[in-house]
Amino acid sequence: RKEVEQDPGPFNVPEGATVAFNCTYSNSASQSFFWYRQDCRKEPKLLMSVYSSGNEDGRFTAQLNRASQYISLLIRDSKLSDSATYLCVVRRSNQGGKLIFGQGTELSVKP
Amino acid sequence: EAGVAQSPRYKIIEKRQSVAFWCNPISGHATLYWYQQILGQGPKLLIQFQNNGVVDDSQLPKDRFSAERLKGVDSTLKIQPAKLEDSAVYLCASSLGNQETQYFGPGTRLLVL
Repeated sequence: RKEVEQDPGPFNVPEGATVAFNCTYSNSASQSFFWYRQDCRKEPKLLMSVYSSGNEDGRFTAQLNRASQYISLLIRDSKLSDSATYLCVVRRSNQGGKLIFGQGTELSVKP
Repeated sequence: EAGVAQSPRYKIIEKRQSVAFWCNPISGHATLYWYQQILGQGPKLLIQFQNNGVVDDSQLPKDRFSAERLKGVDSTLKIQPAKLEDSAVYLCASSLGNQETQYFGPGTRLLVL
């Protein structure tokens, strides 16, 4: 079993739709949680950190449930420019900052 | 502020040949990472440096891969000899410290024929 698992998609949605991505992690020593965005043939870039209380950045909302070892990302009012692969990432407390990436969920927003 | 620089951007080699990748991190970043990203997967850490010392190389195939960061700034990753399954994007990332945000370079896309 992979340490970080995501639905690989692809998710094909119309502009303006709300889309949710789910992620589960298996190692309870995971300390920090992130969503990265990766455009086609580009490098990953940090989208947002994920906090236990939940956090929002404009149209993006991230949630963390430590008891269930579950992370989510909600995108409201999707734009064409949101089309990308979204990577769920965890960092363990005991491994010097090493990031563990999920396989990514591909999103395609259509006009 | 200049980002993480990598070269070459693309490389095509035949199996059993050697190849080297170069990375120049963001100025002042003590921590440097090399990741391998196979098509359809997320990046996987190969090796992590803190200044010029290795912090984690547990997933580096040491029989064929080597990396160095001699002066604690730029770094090279070498594959010798390459196998077909080494075809991937090799991403370099850097951060101020090992608990800080990692910034990725554009990657080197390797194709082994």
